[in-house]
Amino acid sequence: GAGVSQTPSNKVTEKGKYVELRCDPISGHTALYWYRQSLGQGPEFLIYFQGTGAADDSGLPNDRFFAVRPEGSVSTLKIQRTERGDSAVYLCASSDYRGNEQFFGPGTRLTVL
Amino acid sequence: AQKVTQAQTEISVVEKEDVTLDCVYETRDTTYYLFWYKQPPSGELVFLIRRNSFDEQNEISGRYSWNFQKSTSSFNFTITASQVVDSAVYFCALSESRGGADGLTFGKGTHLIIQP
Repeated sequence: GAGVSQTPSNKVTEKGKYVELRCDPISGHTALYWYRQSLGQGPEFLIYFQGTGAADDSGLPNDRFFAVRPEGSVSTLKIQRTERGDSAVYLCASSDYRGNEQFFGPGTRLTVL
Repeated sequence: AQKVTQAQTEISVVEKEDVTLDCVYETRDTTYYLFWYKQPPSGELVFLIRRNSFDEQNEISGRYSWNFQKSTSSFNFTITASQVVDSAVYFCALSESRGGADGLTFGKGTHLIIQP
């Protein structure tokens, strides 16, 4: 079946702009996760959804970051007033249950100029 | 707080050699899960294995094997008879059952280079 998909694959924006990153999880997976990976580092957890609700958003760096999953499937990560330090690869993962293996998408490479 | 340490930043070996990637973890939870992921040059993370804290049995899958030792909080990964296609960055990760963040805590990764 289809894996996790993310769009766009690349996003270049200017400092101060607003961006939206989309994640389409594996069908039937109720758990969805967002991570951020900087060059040479491991992925860092941002937020976890169980169904439609954000069960854990402890990894969001500040209030410029927000994510939604209104129908329990597709999720959108939203970043307001982007800063150069937001440049990274944003990864989405899904699993059928919290604690089980997470399957990752190809990521969105965000570059803030 | 949970933490994963991969002390080896980069390892380079010649094809057909055996290589072991180290992973040491810290957690206060008694129930937790350990993972290994592979990130090839294409960038997409590939799931390799998941172990829960109650199962210390070592696992072998083809040329891959994993050694889980709770006494030393380690979950090491060995590739036998390495091949050029094994070249990638390998990440060890931890997930706690109770407490802590719900996401995976990753180590910084080990860049494995297999030379022909």
